[in-house]
Amino acid sequence: GQNIDQPTEMTATEGAIVQINCTYQTSGFNGLFWYQQHAGEAPTFLSYNVLDGLEEKGRFSSFLSRSKGYSYLLLKELQMKDSASYLCAVRDANAGNMLTFGGGTRLMVKP
Amino acid sequence: DSGVTQTPKHLITATGQRVTLRCSPRSGDLSVYWYQQSLDQGLQFLIQYYNGEERAKGNILERFSAQQFPDLHSELNLSSLELGDSALYFCASSGREGSYEQYFGPGTRLTVT
Repeated sequence: GQNIDQPTEMTATEGAIVQINCTYQTSGFNGLFWYQQHAGEAPTFLSYNVLDGLEEKGRFSSFLSRSKGYSYLLLKELQMKDSASYLCAVRDANAGNMLTFGGGTRLMVKP
Repeated sequence: DSGVTQTPKHLITATGQRVTLRCSPRSGDLSVYWYQQSLDQGLQFLIQYYNGEERAKGNILERFSAQQFPDLHSELNLSSLELGDSALYFCASSGREGSYEQYFGPGTRLTVT
């Protein structure tokens, strides 16, 4: 089975930087994904990490350490529209490559 | 717009009834995934189909079933509905087997009264 943990809620200020952490335990790790989901809407893909290190994509970056079972999503220059839930998901090669999602971190950006 | 379509957008029905949710994947995508998202459970994987065949199964109840048709659209059938089945049901699709990114449809909000 898999266990994915991420904080339930976070608050940050517009223009600031926020880091959302995710820890996981899985038997057949085959990639970690971050999705953004606004309330009542579909999740949208943000990033994918399968090797250790940092992947940067505009204001968003994602980091992975496979040995520590740890990832984070870094959001820079926060905007009000970044208020959303951020879902960490792990793909397990021993489970047909299905994705298991964490409970999500609800980020509130304040002016 | 992800290119994945789902119908209907909203569905209200009574306990004990049966409903069918429909999903059309992105053009060219062979895999379809179904997820359930309720307030207290987060996003839960239900089942995956690849090119018409069941590929992986998650926490899908026996009252629920799915299939993928030759034109690659998929249907999720929910029967003997209970109040606890009220949730958002998402369909996602991805490309060739092993493709890592899943594209989600807008979801169907099911309310069981």
